[in-house]
Parts: sequence; structure tokens; C-alpha cells
Amino acid sequence: DARVTQTPRHKVTEMGQEVTMRCQPILGHNTVFWYRQTMMQGLELLAYFRNRAPLDDSGMPKDRFSAEMPDATLATLKIQPSEPRDSAVYFCASGFESSYEQYFGPGTRLTVT
Amino acid sequence: GQQLNQSPQSMFIQEGEDVSMNCTSSSIFNTWLWYKQDPGEGPVLLIALYKAGELTSNGRLTAQFGITRKDSFLNISASIPSDVGIYFCAGALIMNSGYSTLTFGKGTMLLVSP
Repeated sequence: DARVTQTPRHKVTEMGQEVTMRCQPILGHNTVFWYRQTMMQGLELLAYFRNRAPLDDSGMPKDRFSAEMPDATLATLKIQPSEPRDSAVYFCASGFESSYEQYFGPGTRLTVT
Repeated sequence: GQQLNQSPQSMFIQEGEDVSMNCTSSSIFNTWLWYKQDPGEGPVLLIALYKAGELTSNGRLTAQFGITRKDSFLNISASIPSDVGIYFCAGALIMNSGYSTLTFGKGTMLLVSP
């Protein structure tokens, strides 16, 4: 049963702390996406990787957010320093370049106090 | 950027009723996707539509890709309590750089009374 996995599922941290979220895409998928979901804004695209190369991170606050794919089985999203307004659910999704279909992980619920 | 207008925002229906929701856009999309999100989980892909006019079913779900390529509809027949959740439409568009991204609607929250 191929699924996208994300860790941690929940994270509570204090303002100013570094937060690292991890994602394991479905084996064989070559595109990875990071989204942020809030009640006000809905699902927002933060970053997009194809074959581990970043293609688009225009949706990401550059001063504090960074996204990487150290290898094909791991994508990371870091926030440093974190702020209360970063509180949201962060989703990772993966897919094939040849298809528009994206498969989502269960998300990381981040609370910054 | 592109915006999707999804309606209704929420629906409260009785078990057994049929449900219809839709998405419209001012832009043309190459593909329409419909997702369902349960509380505390990520969106799950229900149906993908690739051609204008296409009508596709997945069990009790039926979705259509509008002829103008600017809208899509999702129908659920004979609703059951486990249909409760938030339904999202998403449109895919190939950017000038050659890659595609999804634009999501704000979602339709469906509540089903037993």
C-alpha cells in the first residue's frame, strides 16, 4: 500500500525555535510538493520539486522557510525562526511528472506559541 | 494567479440524498481533480478528469469536466454518513516554464445526517 508519509504528525513549539518537517514520497514518484493549509487561505503551494530539483518555491517566505530533497526518499521543510503565524497544517504530496495527479500525506499540524 | 470558486461552501443533508457541488474558474485548465479530506487527514484523490466534456464515475461519485474547460461538477448519489468531509476541486495548468501546478478551491464541507 504505497502512501506518502510525514513526520512528525504534530508539533508544538515556541516562537523562535527551528522546526523541521519530513516527508517520504511514494517510491518511484519524481515530483514532490509542499502545501500549507489554514482556515483562512485554504491549501497554498509552498514548494515544488521535480527529480529532486526545486522548480518553484515562490509561495514560500524565503527569509525563514527552506525546502530540500537530500535524496529521492526524503523531502524536508524547515522553518527558522518559527513564528505564531506559521501555525497551520503542512502537507507533502508526490506524483509522476507525466501526470497531474498528486497524492497527499497525512500532514504535520504545527502550533507555534 | 488563477482562482477557483467552489460552491456551495457547506451542505447539510439527509442520508440517502444526492449531492451536487461545482467549481468555476475564469481560466482554462488542462485537468480537473476532485479530492476528499477527512478530519485530521490529508486530501485523498477521488476522480481525475483529463478531457473537456469527460464524465467519469467512481462508485457513487460522478464528476464532469466542463466543455468550456473552466468548470467541473461532482455529484454524489445516495449519500451515506461516511461521505462526511471536505471536498476540494483542483485545476491543473501547465505553466510557461513547462511544469504544472494545482490550484485548489476553498472546499465544500459536507455533513450527512443518518
